Amino acid sequence: EPEVTQTPSHQVTQMGQEVILRCVPISNHLYFYWYRQILGQKVEFLVSFYNNEISEKSEIFDDQFSVERPDGSNFTLKIRSTKLEDSAMYFCASSGAGSSTDTQYFGPGTRLTVL
Amino acid sequence: AQTVTQSQPEMSVQEAETVTLSCTYDTSESDYYLFWYKQPPSRQMILVIRQEAYKQQNATENRFSVNFQKAAKSFSLKISDSQLGDAAMYFCAYRSSIYNQGGKLIFGQGTELSVKP
Repeated sequence: EPEVTQTPSHQVTQMGQEVILRCVPISNHLYFYWYRQILGQKVEFLVSFYNNEISEKSEIFDDQFSVERPDGSNFTLKIRSTKLEDSAMYFCASSGAGSSTDTQYFGPGTRLTVL
Repeated sequence: AQTVTQSQPEMSVQEAETVTLSCTYDTSESDYYLFWYKQPPSRQMILVIRQEAYKQQNATENRFSVNFQKAAKSFSLKISDSQLGDAAMYFCAYRSSIYNQGGKLIFGQGTELSVKP
């Protein structure tokens, strides 16, 4: 069964460093998302992406964040200058087209630790 | 703005018994989607069940079923014949259908379910 994959599973970085989180959505899906979950808290929407542009973004998704689909398979989230409060689990999700756009399938997540 | 509330931070159930997790939401929209996701200790988000608001029939998926009360804006999850593998954090989520396609999920705070052998 197709699934969303994410790399790395765990990333440790120093405050102020740039990180890139990678995702490979399900191959025939057209809509891509990033969510964040700070430990012990609920999952929060960051950004959605369709047709090579951002569809919607949350207040969390400020100028330090960017997303890109550099090729036909990868979807990346970049944090330019990480802060301690960026430590969280980051989930990528994707959904299909037509009647299947309503259901989002999540990857296993990347645990980001900012020291 | 839409909100999702899960008022039970923790629930416990005996193996093979039935448990119901509560979820309420607030919206002014008439058409939307509701979901339950399971998050085991691995922290992977796994879709459990979905419900379209325009459908009156409650969704079922094997041992999982929902009680969707649109007027009350309530969407509870019933797990029958609970198994040890059901132990996880369960999140209720809302998605507007005003987007023709795509659209963010709004999550509740989660309910931690433990299953006692």
